Amino acid sequence: GQNIDQPTEMTATEGAIVQINCTYQTSGFNGLFWYQQHAGEAPTFLSYNVLDGLEEKGRFSSFLSRSKGYSYLLLKELQMKDSASYLCAGRNSGAGSYQLTFGKGTKLSVIP
Amino acid sequence: GAGVSQSPRYKVAKRGQDVALRCDPISGHVSLFWYQQALGQGPEFLTYFQNEAQLDKSGLPSDRFFAERPEGSVSTLKIQRTQQEDSAVYLCASSEGLAGNYEQYFGPGTRLTVT
Repeated sequence: GQNIDQPTEMTATEGAIVQINCTYQTSGFNGLFWYQQHAGEAPTFLSYNVLDGLEEKGRFSSFLSRSKGYSYLLLKELQMKDSASYLCAGRNSGAGSYQLTFGKGTKLSVIP
Repeated sequence: GAGVSQSPRYKVAKRGQDVALRCDPISGHVSLFWYQQALGQGPEFLTYFQNEAQLDKSGLPSDRFFAERPEGSVSTLKIQRTQQEDSAVYLCASSEGLAGNYEQYFGPGTRLTVT
């Protein structure tokens, strides 16, 4: 599986922009997911990147660089409800491609 | 439509007891996954079903863990002789496709506490 690394915690101000980074092993990699998880709740899907570049979806955007083993999730116009843990997950290539390897999650706190 | 449901939501077991955790995936989803999530960690893969076939159980931590999905829909994760280190949230997820590029839909999880 992948070796996913992301910061443990971040704090940002309501209305601001925050970027959450994620790095992974490039060998055996074939796609990267971002999930949002509020405390005590199920992870919910945010984005999936396979190709290099930026994908924008409303206030949330996700970027992938396959050659650098790097992704980020960009959250704009932060709202208090965006306080949650953000999970980066790598998908393996080949026979085990159904399997996701999750990072430990980045706990984002949005303050007034 | 209905999402993935899991029951019970909370379970307290005495060390040594057996527990059974249930997952009802989204109707028609062929893929079903079980994950274990410790406090402050990301979900860790336990096992994968494609319809009723358990194709991968490489993540099950010991032979005390057993999962089944006999009719290709509802799945049960059973833990025998529970230990304190089994305390975690157990998440079930389903997806409509066979390949990993399909979004996984997660249930709310079962929080297991072993005392």
